[in-house]
Amino acid sequence: AQRVTQPEKLLSVFKGAPVELKCNYSYSGSPELFWYVQYSRQRLQLLLRHISRESIKGFTADLNKGETSFHLKKPFAQEEDSAMYYCALKAGGGNKLTFGTGTQLKVEL
Amino acid sequence: SQTIHQWPATLVQPVGSPLSLECTVEGTSNPNLYWYRQAAGRGLQLLFYSVGIGQISSEVPQNLSASRPQDRQFILSSKKLLLSDSGFYLCAWSDPQRNYGYTFGSGTRLTVV
Repeated sequence: AQRVTQPEKLLSVFKGAPVELKCNYSYSGSPELFWYVQYSRQRLQLLLRHISRESIKGFTADLNKGETSFHLKKPFAQEEDSAMYYCALKAGGGNKLTFGTGTQLKVEL
Repeated sequence: SQTIHQWPATLVQPVGSPLSLECTVEGTSNPNLYWYRQAAGRGLQLLFYSVGIGQISSEVPQNLSASRPQDRQFILSSKKLLLSDSGFYLCAWSDPQRNYGYTFGSGTRLTVV
């Protein structure tokens, strides 16, 4: 069965510091991975997809199949990055997503 | 453009009462539809998903059921609520033809008392 692990419940960094939110997955097939973000009082929304190889709001994530990881990174944290971040793995029929438990990112001034 | 509506936003129900949460999608056809429960420290747990009218797959055994009476309508129900059904419920849709991920509704906070 597929699994997504986000080992950190809370990550606190200072403004301008680098950010890395960890995500590891377990899946026997070819993985498709996503990062979702939930800002305070807003809906959960898609941040980025690994197949797009894009940078959104300065965030990037590289799929490392050898380490089964999909860590989310940003070189310089901004206060507006404070939010809950979820890593998700697409597996099985119906485009089902399996989510991790989430990491709360807090960017301090 | 596509939109997803979920209601009510909050609900307080007594134990043993029935439940009906509704989710509708506009601006698309034949969406995949999902019900998730979000719990602090436990992430998002997939409860049900549907790939078409009348087609419901349940992911976890529970006191809840789901129905899809119309293409863009997804309903989460219970005949008798339990205290453990309290939580934050999210509806989502995805386009089965494209890999753009999910679009989520605004959620329903259910408190069973």
